[in-house]
Amino acid sequence: GIQVEQSPPDLILQEGANSTLRCNFSDSVNNLQWFHQNPWGQLINLFYIPSGTKQNGRLSATTVATERYSLLYISSSQTTDSGVYFCAVGTSSASKIIFGSGTRLSIRP
Amino acid sequence: DVKVTQSSRYLVKRTGEKVFLECVQDMDHENMFWYRQDPGLGLRLIYFSYDVKMKEKGDIPEGYSVSREKKERFSLILESASTNQTSMYLCASSLYLFRDGGSNEQFFGPGTRLTVL
Repeated sequence: GIQVEQSPPDLILQEGANSTLRCNFSDSVNNLQWFHQNPWGQLINLFYIPSGTKQNGRLSATTVATERYSLLYISSSQTTDSGVYFCAVGTSSASKIIFGSGTRLSIRP
Repeated sequence: DVKVTQSSRYLVKRTGEKVFLECVQDMDHENMFWYRQDPGLGLRLIYFSYDVKMKEKGDIPEGYSVSREKKERFSLILESASTNQTSMYLCASSLYLFRDGGSNEQFFGPGTRLTVL
């Protein structure tokens, strides 16, 4: 089955710093989502981005489907950005989405 | 905005009890999913439903059953809870499935942390 790898596994930054999180996948996908899991466990939808670039405030994401990777950019980090960031991909042959193992982001004040 | 709610944020049950976890979505989505999340194992799909009364097994269905009597509600049932079912349970919904030509963008509820003693 399709493999999803996220890097780095852990990231510790000072407030105000910028960060780039990466998601690599091993096969063609038709669906790619980025989520933020907050400290209470809820998965918050950030982007649905099977290809192209999207921006939402301080966050943006780019997926290069032909090269099988996606990047999540966080600018001017705030302590509320802390948590685990997951990417999840889906293919046309499957009903489920496959999650990566996540990047744990810690923003220090 | 899509809203997915789960009946409890925290739940403590005894071994052997029958446990019901309820999930409700308010966006008329066709598909609903139950996942569990465990440290080191990530999110794993237990069951999903693509229509009322229709269901399919996910990756780890053993020890679980599901019920979908109404479109907006999807229940996960632990017939006889065991300690290895202590976990975070996450419900999700989506409008379309990929196999139907849709995007399968999934939206998640707040999760239920279940402890089985």
